[in-house]
Amino acid sequence: EPEVTQTPSHQVTQMGQEVILRCVPISNHLYFYWYRQILGQKVEFLVSFYNNEISEKSEIFDDQFSVERPDGSNFTLKIRSTKLEDSAMYFCASSGILGQGLGGELFFGEGSRLTVL
Amino acid sequence: AQSVSQHNHHVILSEAASLELGCNYSYGGTVNLFWYVQYPGQHLQLLLKYFSGDPLVKGIKGFEAEFIKSKFSFNLRKPSVQWSDTAEYFCAVSGYSTLTFGKGTMLLVSP
Repeated sequence: EPEVTQTPSHQVTQMGQEVILRCVPISNHLYFYWYRQILGQKVEFLVSFYNNEISEKSEIFDDQFSVERPDGSNFTLKIRSTKLEDSAMYFCASSGILGQGLGGELFFGEGSRLTVL
Repeated sequence: AQSVSQHNHHVILSEAASLELGCNYSYGGTVNLFWYVQYPGQHLQLLLKYFSGDPLVKGIKGFEAEFIKSKFSFNLRKPSVQWSDTAEYFCAVSGYSTLTFGKGTMLLVSP
C-alpha cells in the first residue's frame, strides 16, 4: 500500500540552526501538507502546497518557514532559524484529486520529531 | 473560523466495553467531518468520514460515527472495543479550507 514517508524520524538541533524535514508523498497525489503537534496540544495546520506553490498557510507559518518540492518527489519543510517553541512532531500529508477543503482524504506520514535545545 | 472540541482527553476501558468519544465542532457552513486514529508508533490514518447523505457513517474496524447537525456533533462509537483499539483518536473538520483537528482522545483498552 502506498504511503507517505518522512525523514528524519527524530532530529535534535540547537536554537538558531536551520532544519530541513523531508517527505516523500504518495506518488500520484497532487496536494501536499505540513502539520505539527506540540506535545500535549492539537495537531495544527501549517501549510498546503498545490501545483508547485503554497495554496494556503496558517499564522504559524511565518517567514522562518518555507516549503519546496525540489525534484517532483520530495516535499521539504525548512525552518530557517529554529526556536525552542518549534519543538514538535511535524507531520507531512498528501491527498489526491481532492484537496482538504473539498473533503479529500489526507494520508499522513509517521512524523518527524524535532527537538530544539 | 472552524474549531473542534473533543470532550475526553483520556479514556480507559476494558475489552468488550462499548465506546463513545464525543466531538463537537463549530463552523457556519457545510462541513466535512473526519475521525483519524494514531496507533502507538504509527502515522495518522483515516477511520471514517462524513461528507453528505446518511448521517450514520461506518468506518473501518467496526467504528461508526453519527453526524447530528442540530448539536454540531460527530461522536465516534464502537459497540465492543478490543485491546488493539488502544490508540489516540482525533476528530477533524474541514469547511472549504484547511483540516482542523481536535486535541485528541487517548484510548487505553485493558485486556
